Amino acid sequence: DTAVSQTPKYLVTQMGNDKSIKCEQNLGHDTMYWYKQDSKKFLKIMFSYNNKELIINETVPNRFSPKSPDKAHLNLHINSLELGDSAVYFCASSTGNGEQFFGPGTRLTVL
Amino acid sequence: GENVEQHPSTLSVQEGDSAVIKCTYSDSASNYFPWYKQELGKGPQLIIDIRSNVGEKKDQRIAVTLNKTAKHFSLHITETQPEDSAVYFCAPQYSSASKIIFGSGTRLSIRP
Repeated sequence: DTAVSQTPKYLVTQMGNDKSIKCEQNLGHDTMYWYKQDSKKFLKIMFSYNNKELIINETVPNRFSPKSPDKAHLNLHINSLELGDSAVYFCASSTGNGEQFFGPGTRLTVL
Repeated sequence: GENVEQHPSTLSVQEGDSAVIKCTYSDSASNYFPWYKQELGKGPQLIIDIRSNVGEKKDQRIAVTLNKTAKHFSLHITETQPEDSAVYFCAPQYSSASKIIFGSGTRLSIRP
């Protein structure tokens, strides 16, 4: 009965590689998000999609490309990984009334 | 753009005492004021929220108060327990389509 799920939970990779993180929500929400949380716990929004359409695109390198095949899924693909990309990435969804439902996070470590 | 400040960054209280965390925002159009709790290794989870037509809301040991004139809202936790130890975030918002800015977080530790 998981509400927002992400895979993988941990991702360790070398600099320069390309990787993807998948997110699925079974709450029927229209809006989904990707957040990045750094080592100091700062939580920053990266992207927001509403019904598969991009509505928020923060100042994120274009190496990061979100894709929403349907409104229940929002995946994040990262090209040419850099050391500074190491962080915990959270997917979230919302009905639009404000409350965000977060996934368990994906800890990305770039070596 | 919206500016959100959260204080204190760390807070240590004796078990049973109260804790208060404050969030100050700049966008007067904000109308939704949530507080999230993030436990170790997990994603943030909403614990209480308030909308701009209400000044205070309480749910058992936690409460949120809103001062729209001064543009700040606070989280109050009474009779603190060990399981209250976590990082707490505020995230004032205008609408679901607007940019969401989280406060910098408050690490709350409860001393036994």
